[in-house]
Amino acid sequence: DAGVIQSPRHEVTEMGQEVTLRCKPISGHNSLFWYRQTMMRGLELLIYFNNNVPIDDSGMPEDRFSAKMPNASFSTLKIQPSEPRDSAVYFCASSPTGRIVSPLHFGNGTRLTVT
Amino acid sequence: QQPVQSPQAVILREGEDAVINCSSSKALYSVHWYRQKHGEAPVFLMILLKGGEQKGHEKISASFNEKKQQSSLYLTASQLSYSGTYFCGTGPGGSEKLVFGKGTKLTVNP
Repeated sequence: DAGVIQSPRHEVTEMGQEVTLRCKPISGHNSLFWYRQTMMRGLELLIYFNNNVPIDDSGMPEDRFSAKMPNASFSTLKIQPSEPRDSAVYFCASSPTGRIVSPLHFGNGTRLTVT
Repeated sequence: QQPVQSPQAVILREGEDAVINCSSSKALYSVHWYRQKHGEAPVFLMILLKGGEQKGHEKISASFNEKKQQSSLYLTASQLSYSGTYFCGTGPGGSEKLVFGKGTKLTVNP
């Protein structure tokens, strides 16, 4: 089991540029979550998918953020245009079921720095 | 609604015990506990479910008081490897969303 795989591990970009973060969940897991972690706000849930369908995106900060899950083995989180306040560690997590009785398996995260 | 964790930080000597608390203003169906070491991803420790079922870690225990909407994580005879930030995540009934507290930083010194 390779675990949840995220890429890139680090991303440094300039304000205004488009950023795409990628995630491969654990095979067989039905749910996928995107979290953002900052010192000030902690771990914030941005969006989650169940069986590739977005269920709740109420945590997405604004229209600059978008997420897709075209198939069961791949998801992207895109920020366009990026701003310095988007700097954070972005985690993807997957879970065997769509219910909160199952543990989340986190990827190693993408550290995003927007200058 | 983000759960509230206390204390924010605690420093122990190896072998001492600690309790970390998590409370919510909403009725809960489940409480998750995770530990995150610096620069790493959060790692699952335990789930407590309404009704008393507990799934998780062999050396760390927890309680879930549904009436008070609180959970506590008990670390006994702490080891150096217990150092890290502990997060509780709460999930209200009927929702698949897991919302995390801001974390409790635990430092275990020799």
